[in-house]
Amino acid sequence: GENVEQHPSTLSVQEGDSAVIKCTYSDSASNYFPWYKQELGKRPQLIIDIRSNVGEKKDQRIAVTLNKTAKHFSLHITETQPEDSAVYFCAAKTDSWGKLQFGAGTQVVVTP
Amino acid sequence: SAVISQKPSRDICQRGTSLTIQCQVDSQVTMMFWYRQQPGQSLTLIATANQGSEATYESGFVIDKFPISRPNLTFSTLTVSNMSPEDSSIYLCSVLDRAGLPGELFFGEGSRLTVL
Repeated sequence: GENVEQHPSTLSVQEGDSAVIKCTYSDSASNYFPWYKQELGKRPQLIIDIRSNVGEKKDQRIAVTLNKTAKHFSLHITETQPEDSAVYFCAAKTDSWGKLQFGAGTQVVVTP
Repeated sequence: SAVISQKPSRDICQRGTSLTIQCQVDSQVTMMFWYRQQPGQSLTLIATANQGSEATYESGFVIDKFPISRPNLTFSTLTVSNMSPEDSSIYLCSVLDRAGLPGELFFGEGSRLTVL
């Protein structure tokens, strides 16, 4: 089955700096790669996703890149703010009805 | 987007007892899933709840320990049976809200269980 690895496990950044989280996946058939943000005590919520037919997608300060050849994808947060502090999970799945395989998560701490 | 209600939101349980978690969605959804999130850990899929038939369990999870029901397209229950402290986790109901293209997975608020 699919295996998703995520790095780093923790990331501390100064407010205003950029944060990058990287994930690799094992199944070349995977075609959907979402990123979820989970604030303390809250449910995970989708912040951005990318499908295998595109290489990059941006939404304001958040961007995701996908390298299908290398089987890795990354989340980029620019101009970080304290409210970006949370745990971020990457995930991958192979088809519409397939299960999502989550990475281990990255604890992001943005310090003022 | 689907609105998912879970209850209980939290509970403290005694070892050896069982607890049933309910998940109610405000619209009919095709796929419903149950995840477990142990303290400080990632999300692990327990099973896919199938409407009108037995759930599909992931490796490491069995029906006797985690019986699941899904009587219709908007409701599901997960029971954690014969609980031990190792079952202390957040249990999350999730739904796939869009057919066709890979869709967004929505999560309920979760049920935080502490087993003493």
